[in-house]
Amino acid sequence: ETGVTQSPTHLIKTRGQQVTLRCSSQSGHNTVSWYQQALGQGPQFIFQYYREEENGRGNFPPRFSGLQFPNYSSELNVNALELDDSALYLCASSPRLAQQETQYFGPGTRLLVL
Amino acid sequence: QKEVEQNSGPLSVPEGAIASLNCTYSDRVSQSFFWYRQYSGKSPELIMSIYSNGDKEDGRFTAQLNKASQYVSLLIRDSQPSDSATYLCAVNSFNHNNNDMRFGAGTRLTVKP
Repeated sequence: ETGVTQSPTHLIKTRGQQVTLRCSSQSGHNTVSWYQQALGQGPQFIFQYYREEENGRGNFPPRFSGLQFPNYSSELNVNALELDDSALYLCASSPRLAQQETQYFGPGTRLLVL
Repeated sequence: QKEVEQNSGPLSVPEGAIASLNCTYSDRVSQSFFWYRQYSGKSPELIMSIYSNGDKEDGRFTAQLNKASQYVSLLIRDSQPSDSATYLCAVNSFNHNNNDMRFGAGTRLTVKP
């Protein structure tokens, strides 16, 4: 296990609702990245947080937003849920913001939008 | 052209054989390369990282990197049924001071007893 935790493990929402997913990074890690993994696909980068600031964003609309807290835990918020948002949401932490840093994944939150 | 491409498989090998997984990437400035293993319904777990051209060995796993050809591979020797999983290739270009990784779609490996 990596020491990265996520909650909840599973979630069912309906179209148009809002959802908040949570991640606790591994102890000592100050960088958190969020990914969306649709069935049969590789993870897609949503955004990254470093020391409580957004530090890069993938090709996701503004209804995907996030926060990082002083203890480096993080939240992913998705507004106006769409059916295509159904996916596994992965949080990954790394010790610092550096090119060769490995990212360690949490167990993920599986979101189903009906 | 996808940023990171992998053969989707499935790749099937007999127990004890060598499994060879391949990955190509499009961004020439990419500097860091990772192989993750993902069991069905689970999250990715790191197998290997490689940063320099050549081979890097760790137990039964060998990663190979050729930056000129923009190619990275993973060899699994003495394959075991427990190696059956999807293998994800990830590339980090560290653009704009963030280390977002770009993943391939993964290659599904089945090792038959």
